[in-house]
Amino acid sequence: NAGVTQTPKFRVLKTGQSMTLLCAQDMNHEYMYWYRQDPGMGLRLIHYSVGEGTTAKGEVPDGYNVSRLKKQNFLLGLESAAPSQTSVYFCASRPRDRYEQYFGPGTRLTVT
Amino acid sequence: KQEVTQIPAALSVPEGENLVLNCSFTDSAIYNLQWFRQDPGKGLTSLLLIQSSQREQTSGRLNASLDKSSGRSTLYIAASQPGDSATYLCAGDMDTGRRALTFGSGTRLQVQP
Repeated sequence: NAGVTQTPKFRVLKTGQSMTLLCAQDMNHEYMYWYRQDPGMGLRLIHYSVGEGTTAKGEVPDGYNVSRLKKQNFLLGLESAAPSQTSVYFCASRPRDRYEQYFGPGTRLTVT
Repeated sequence: KQEVTQIPAALSVPEGENLVLNCSFTDSAIYNLQWFRQDPGKGLTSLLLIQSSQREQTSGRLNASLDKSSGRSTLYIAASQPGDSATYLCAGDMDTGRRALTFGSGTRLQVQP
């Protein structure tokens, strides 16, 4: 049981490049979330999903897209990376009937 | 806008001291509140979750309380140890649709040996 895993752990992009971050969970959780954490700040919600095939915007969705084609995976895409997207990205999941969220180890992204 | 505030931003204490970390939130209609620990460059480890129907939760040397009426939660750490040094984040579930968390900016704790 690996819990929540994120791929890759680190990435450096040039402005304008695109990439996809992968989040996978093996706990059969319905809800999945993408957050970003900037220095000295708490985590902010980017997008979330309440089930396979569904996605919705969070607090800071601009510049990102997501997909949830399989229940266990939640993908975060950056179509045209900008320096303002330099951050640490965390994925989380939780079951529908319980409140506790479980977090992945994070992806550190730098956009130059 | 729902907000979660943590004060102080940083705290340094000698080993063995009992300490309290504070968290305040603007929305009294909170479903639950979760405390996390984050080590430098690492992910989040869940410490305690308090549901709205509960007033406190305990795990080992940690005790977290929730007072919805005053919009406050506290994390009490007894007999602090150098290994407790980390950033502590509180987060509230205050949104009926998303069931996502609104985070405070954290308290960075340093326990001096």
